[in-house]
Amino acid sequence: GENVEQHPSTLSVQEGDSAVIKCTYSDSASNYFPWYKQELGKRPQLIIDIRSNVGEKKDQRIAVTLNKTAKHFSLHITETQPEDSAVYFCAASIRGGATNKLIFGTGTLLAVQP
Amino acid sequence: DVKVTQSSRYLVKRTGEKVFLECVQDMDHENMFWYRQDPGLGLRLIYFSYDVKMKEKGDIPEGYSVSREKKERFSLILESASTNQTSMYLCASSLDANTEAFFGQGTRLTVV
Repeated sequence: GENVEQHPSTLSVQEGDSAVIKCTYSDSASNYFPWYKQELGKRPQLIIDIRSNVGEKKDQRIAVTLNKTAKHFSLHITETQPEDSAVYFCAASIRGGATNKLIFGTGTLLAVQP
Repeated sequence: DVKVTQSSRYLVKRTGEKVFLECVQDMDHENMFWYRQDPGLGLRLIYFSYDVKMKEKGDIPEGYSVSREKKERFSLILESASTNQTSMYLCASSLDANTEAFFGQGTRLTVV
């Protein structure tokens, strides 16, 4: 079926460095791509999303880029801080029967070393 | 604030039992989802619903069913619980398929 692949599964960076997480999707009709952050023991929460009519979106230290032709999108975190340590999930809205369904990648565990 | 509330934080059930996981949202959202979260596998979609009494299978529906009799409530049913259904179950809701999904706090189910 349609899926979302996410890499890497774990990522360790030094505080202040940048972190990049990449995802690919298979459904060319997908048009909504959110990113979620899940801190230990907590529920996933949206941090940024992008729609297919734009190629890049930025919110302070977080940015997302989308390449519709190649069917991949990436999360960029600059000037990482220890509180950025969490599991990050990408997702794509994919055709599923009568409506779209939200399919997630397998997650990236980001560790920011002080 | 959107609130998505799952009825239990922790559950322990025996193999073969019928298990009900309840989820309620208070924002009049059309879409509701059930995912299970397992280490290394991410969030896998079990079932979703886009309207009252309407449901669609996700990627791993086997062994599960759902019920949506009212817009605010989406129930996940394990017809006959098995040990391989031990997992964290997350409910979510969204206004439509292309807007933010809000998650419940999760139910950690252990089947013994």
